[in-house]
Amino acid sequence: EVQLVESGGGLVQPGGSLRLSCAASGFAFSTYWMHWVRQAPGKGLVWVSHINSDGSITNYADSVKGRFTISRDNAKNTLYLQMNSLRAEDTAVYYCAREDNSLGDYWGQGTLVTVSS
Amino acid sequence: QAGLTQPPSVSKGLRQTATLTCTGNSNNVGNQGAAWLQQHQGHPPKLLSDRNNNRPSGISERLSASRSGNTASLTITGLQPEDEADYYCSAWDSSLSAWVFGGGTKLTVL
Repeated sequence: EVQLVESGGGLVQPGGSLRLSCAASGFAFSTYWMHWVRQAPGKGLVWVSHINSDGSITNYADSVKGRFTISRDNAKNTLYLQMNSLRAEDTAVYYCAREDNSLGDYWGQGTLVTVSS
Repeated sequence: QAGLTQPPSVSKGLRQTATLTCTGNSNNVGNQGAAWLQQHQGHPPKLLSDRNNNRPSGISERLSASRSGNTASLTITGLQPEDEADYYCSAWDSSLSAWVFGGGTKLTVL
């Protein structure tokens, strides 16, 4: 059974940093592109970043470029999102998702990040 | 980054048919196709149809996706109470090198 489990969310002050993790199981993690998608409270889905299977290709939404870094450890079947210089508008539930032809054939349950003083 | 355009809300009666639309441009929907996701309150999204309009295993045959030019559509027949949810479309935008989502459509089953 495919499982994606996010962790690392929490309350952080503006300007602070946080690292999210997504532990994958039940599939050949090293062969799939992976994504981070966020959803602010009461709002829609917003794509944040993706990474290819070996970690050599990454892309970011303009709103996080230069502040967030996506990475993966295929030996640990884990996806990461390092978030620096956090702002109030980064407050959201962060989902990791797998890509198989399309973004999001499987999703995690999400982890809440709250940026507030 | 510009997103895809979806109507904010659609309301239909029980057992009726709803068609949800998603409009993009030639860099995303028109060239790459669009996927459809369903999200119930408090739950993560679920893929209903990939960008080639194929339903994943386990998705009801009452759902079908199509595309005409830069507009993708999701048709749900025989509406049931459990179809009441938020629906999102997504597509890869080759000019932005980014994935884009629609703002979502809230489907209400009366």
